[in-house]
Amino acid sequence: AQSVTQLGSHVSVSEGALVLLRCNYSSSVPPYLFWYVQYPNQGLQLLLKYTTGATLVKGINGFEAEFKKSETSFHLTKPSAHMSDAAEYLCAVSRMDSSYKLIFGSGTRLLVRP
Amino acid sequence: DTEVTQTPKHLVMGMTNKKSLKCEQHMGHRAMYWYKQKAKKPPELMFVYSYEKLSINESVPSRFSPECPNSSLLNLHLHALQPEDSALYLCASSQERLAVNNEQFFGPGTRLTVL
Repeated sequence: AQSVTQLGSHVSVSEGALVLLRCNYSSSVPPYLFWYVQYPNQGLQLLLKYTTGATLVKGINGFEAEFKKSETSFHLTKPSAHMSDAAEYLCAVSRMDSSYKLIFGSGTRLLVRP
Repeated sequence: DTEVTQTPKHLVMGMTNKKSLKCEQHMGHRAMYWYKQKAKKPPELMFVYSYEKLSINESVPSRFSPECPNSSLLNLHLHALQPEDSALYLCASSQERLAVNNEQFFGPGTRLTVL
């Protein structure tokens, strides 16, 4: 069975500081991996995704993530946090053989201090 | 148009009411999804439609009844709900259910409160 673990339900950074949100997955088959962002009372917006190919994936709003198979990780980073980055971040995995189903992690709330 | 729209934005209903949630997309996607999201929890898949046919029902109670009248529209009919059904209901769509790059596009959600 597939699963996703997001370490830290809340992460607080200062504006301008590095953002690092952790995601580890468990999958018996090669996974597809996604990061979504959710602002309060809104739907989910895709930040970036890994399917195959290059392991360093660049997304929108200056975010990027690196797929590390040996560590079963897909951590999300951004060099410099903006106040507008404050939101809920959800990591998700799906399977190559039945890719309809997204398995979400429990989410990480990013707080950005001025 | 890369948008999934949902109406209404907010809905308050009693346990004896019948109401419907509506979702629409004009991206030519052939897979559509309903998710339920409780406060401070990740979304949970409820139903998947593929080419207007129900392909996945994640053991959802029968008081939730999905309908896909055409490839652009997805409805969720609600009847005799319980207060614990209060949640944010999210609709999503993707090109195909089993596509290689199956990015799901989400709508803004309907905030449902059951009194």
